Amino acid sequence: QQQVKQSPQSLIVQKGGISIINCAYENTAFDYFPWYQQFPGKGPALLIAIRPDVSEKKEGRFTISFNKSAKQFSLHIMDSQPGDSATYFCAAWETSGSRLTFGEGTQLTVNP
Amino acid sequence: GAVVSQHPSRVICKSGTSVKIECRSLDFQATTMFWYRQFPKQSLMLMATSNEGSKATYEQGVEKDKFLINHASLTLSTLTVTSAHPEDSSFYICSASARGYIETQYFGPGTRLLVL
Repeated sequence: QQQVKQSPQSLIVQKGGISIINCAYENTAFDYFPWYQQFPGKGPALLIAIRPDVSEKKEGRFTISFNKSAKQFSLHIMDSQPGDSATYFCAAWETSGSRLTFGEGTQLTVNP
Repeated sequence: GAVVSQHPSRVICKSGTSVKIECRSLDFQATTMFWYRQFPKQSLMLMATSNEGSKATYEQGVEKDKFLINHASLTLSTLTVTSAHPEDSSFYICSASARGYIETQYFGPGTRLLVL
């Protein structure tokens, strides 16, 4: 059972555009929501993370929007660049279980 | 900061042999390390969690006798794939987190294992 559902599976955006990736969860015990960027053949790199008591967090071109009541959160990449082309994973952490649950991943392609 | 290394980056071995993968936290003390497995174009699947000085906790369906994990120090954890078979071929990734910040995991670059 996939506890964190991520969409879309793939996304193509023009350079300078906004990339939006969405995630939804069911487990209300999740209390930390990071996003990871992974390039082919590399390990994931932590991009940005949010806790459920905050509705939005921005770091540079990356913004997380969090809707606790809807149990949804999203990653916005502003001014998308070809170098942003990678696979993005949302994740959710459950303190009681001490584990990260990952979404299925979104393959982002930013065309020049 | 928060750099995690893995060695080797890729390994090819014959079926039936054992392979050891090292995971090191270079600039912080990793009280908890996690081992993941990732198949092509798929998400990461947690295999086990290890705390320094304690036995690893394995996820359901992961054979503890096949995937031996040792976390002997605050900067080093090892994963040994024993009697490897072709179906064990995968991308193995470790992550590490510091005391008090267990939810913030920093990932290593991964190890590509190919079993012939």
